[in-house]
Amino acid sequence: AQTVTQSQPEMSVQEAETVTLSCTYDTSESDYYLFWYKQPPSRQMILVIRQEAYKQQNATENRFSVNFQKAAKSFSLKISDSQLGDAAMYFCAYRGMEYGNKLVFGAGTILRVKS
Amino acid sequence: DAGITQSPRHKVTETGTPVTLRCHQTENHRYMYWYRQDPGHGLRLIHYSYGVKDTDKGEVSDGYSVSRSKTEDFLLTLESATSSQTSVYFCAISEYRQRTDTQYFGPGTRLTVL
Repeated sequence: AQTVTQSQPEMSVQEAETVTLSCTYDTSESDYYLFWYKQPPSRQMILVIRQEAYKQQNATENRFSVNFQKAAKSFSLKISDSQLGDAAMYFCAYRGMEYGNKLVFGAGTILRVKS
Repeated sequence: DAGITQSPRHKVTETGTPVTLRCHQTENHRYMYWYRQDPGHGLRLIHYSYGVKDTDKGEVSDGYSVSRSKTEDFLLTLESATSSQTSVYFCAISEYRQRTDTQYFGPGTRLTVL
């Protein structure tokens, strides 16, 4: 079974600085998808970014970008120019190609943004 | 935002009582999911549905059952609630497109079992 590990329970960043959240995963599949979801205090799960394993180019969405290292099974999220609104729990998630499109989540990283 | 609602949003119940949580979508998506969120575990899949009356188990299905009689509604039932089922429950939906589908989540239900 696939597993997703987020080794940083909490991270802090100064406003306007850059922070990187780590995620590693374990799988025997060659084709899959990876996601970062944000969960602010409102509890709503918000998709931040997705990466398709067959694409070598790292995904970017405005201030959010990923460093996808397929051989190392690593998928980190970089947040540039951090804002107070970025403070949230961030979850890394994996989706394989088996029927059902099910997501496997990491335990999450709490990001605190200091003003 | 995807049209997903969950009811109730908060519920306190006692051990041994039955509980039903409802997920309703207006997107006509084929797939629906129930997850639970617990500290240190992230979100874990309980059950999912791939069509009306078609459901399957997830990672943590013991003690839960589901039903889907209409495309828009997916019910999660705890037949006899236990304190270990105190959690936040999320419903999610997705439309099956192999290369482009994404799961969208409802607002969550906080369930406390005393």
